Amino acid sequence: QSVLTQPPSVSGAPGQRVTISCTGSSSNIGANYDVHWYQQLPGTAPKLLIYANSNRPSGVPDRFSGSKSGTSASLAITGLQAEDEADYYCQSYDSSLSGSVVFGGGTKLTVL
Amino acid sequence: QVTLRESGPALVKPTQTLTLTCTFSGFSLSTSGMCVSWIRQPPGKALEWLARIDWDDDKYYSTSLKTRLTISKDTSKNQVVLTMTNMDPVDTATYFCARKYYASGESFDYWGQGTLVTVSS
Repeated sequence: QSVLTQPPSVSGAPGQRVTISCTGSSSNIGANYDVHWYQQLPGTAPKLLIYANSNRPSGVPDRFSGSKSGTSASLAITGLQAEDEADYYCQSYDSSLSGSVVFGGGTKLTVL
Repeated sequence: QVTLRESGPALVKPTQTLTLTCTFSGFSLSTSGMCVSWIRQPPGKALEWLARIDWDDDKYYSTSLKTRLTISKDTSKNQVVLTMTNMDPVDTATYFCARKYYASGESFDYWGQGTLVTVSS
């Protein structure tokens, strides 16, 4: 049972827009900790996609965007492409766990 | 460029101690704000953070695994070592090391490729 809750799966057709939610609580996202998002392609290590809620590292397409409100955060992907098919994880920190890192359970994105 | 690489045994027996080494390049763990964490992922499951060591040698551990973990660094060798005692089959996972730096908003901006550790007799 992950501290941050994500839908197990989402899907969309090429060109469409999908969103992935990450729901936390008052001890993590709601405690003003930033949310980060990672993309994990099959058989590879996670890659930083969005940091500090809404910032894209250099090289990440602007089709990816992040937002945060209250105790939740969201990752949006527009203009869906076949290569976006991957697992996506949100990450934050939790004050009830001595500031430990917490991850979401991951969301499998399928491009139809 | 920044790279990290995990190394260690692919197979350990139950009750044994696991020792993993993260060898990195492209940054120094003596730089203020620099940190290295260990994160694991059981097959088909989610990521789980294990431990972190900071540039000033502060150490942090997962509350659920704290009694079994020890993290250390050798700045001169650009290495971070994680030991996990009393290994169990449920500890079978791919173990990653990752860099955290304040400039990337406290996220894990670089990851190693991971090393799969199987716990079996």
